[in-house]
Amino acid sequence: GAVVSQHPSWVICKSGTSVKIECRSLDFQATTMFWYRQFPKQSLMLMATSNEGSKATYEQGVEKDKFLINHASLTLSTLTVTSAHPEDSSFYICSARDLGTANEKLFFGSGTQLSVL
Amino acid sequence: QQQVKQSPQSLIVQKGGISIINCAYENTAFDYFPWYQQFPGKGPALLIAIRPDVSEKKEGRFTISFNKSAKQFSLHIMDSQPGDSATYFCAASMGGGSEKLVFGKGTKLTVNP
Repeated sequence: GAVVSQHPSWVICKSGTSVKIECRSLDFQATTMFWYRQFPKQSLMLMATSNEGSKATYEQGVEKDKFLINHASLTLSTLTVTSAHPEDSSFYICSARDLGTANEKLFFGSGTQLSVL
Repeated sequence: QQQVKQSPQSLIVQKGGISIINCAYENTAFDYFPWYQQFPGKGPALLIAIRPDVSEKKEGRFTISFNKSAKQFSLHIMDSQPGDSATYFCAASMGGGSEKLVFGKGTKLTVNP
């Protein structure tokens, strides 16, 4: 099946620094990728929809300037957490839809655990 | 607000038993209902999905039952195995696809040997 690669799998950073997370579709093209946030023992909350070649669409309550999304190619989307603070510590997951299959095929990355000290 | 309510929050089943997880939704515009399996430290993986034009879908040991009038759907895991121990999420979306999924809060399943 299609594979979505997410990197890094975990990162520890100091408060005030920025962290970039990459999401790649390895064997298919994805014009749309999705970024989720998941707190421990909680569900996935959609943060934003990443659109190739255009601006991302953010969900209500998500700060655009804090969570920068870039989708420069059909296989890569990046999420940058700017000026990270301890409350940004969370599990971030990306997903991508394989255009070559039926609409229901949404593949998830393995997630990135961010810890801000 | 679009919501998907999932229960139970946790479930313990003996090996070989049947695991049943239930979800209910409010928005009648939802037309795609997937179930995802997530292991600790990993992203969710699509397990099985159903559309409202059928009442049941079976794939191996996994079955989705769908009740459109009650706006409920459930996941049945037959012959549950310790390897099935994971967190399961139901979800729903509109437009026939998997965009902008609304997830349930998850059910942690433990299958005892």
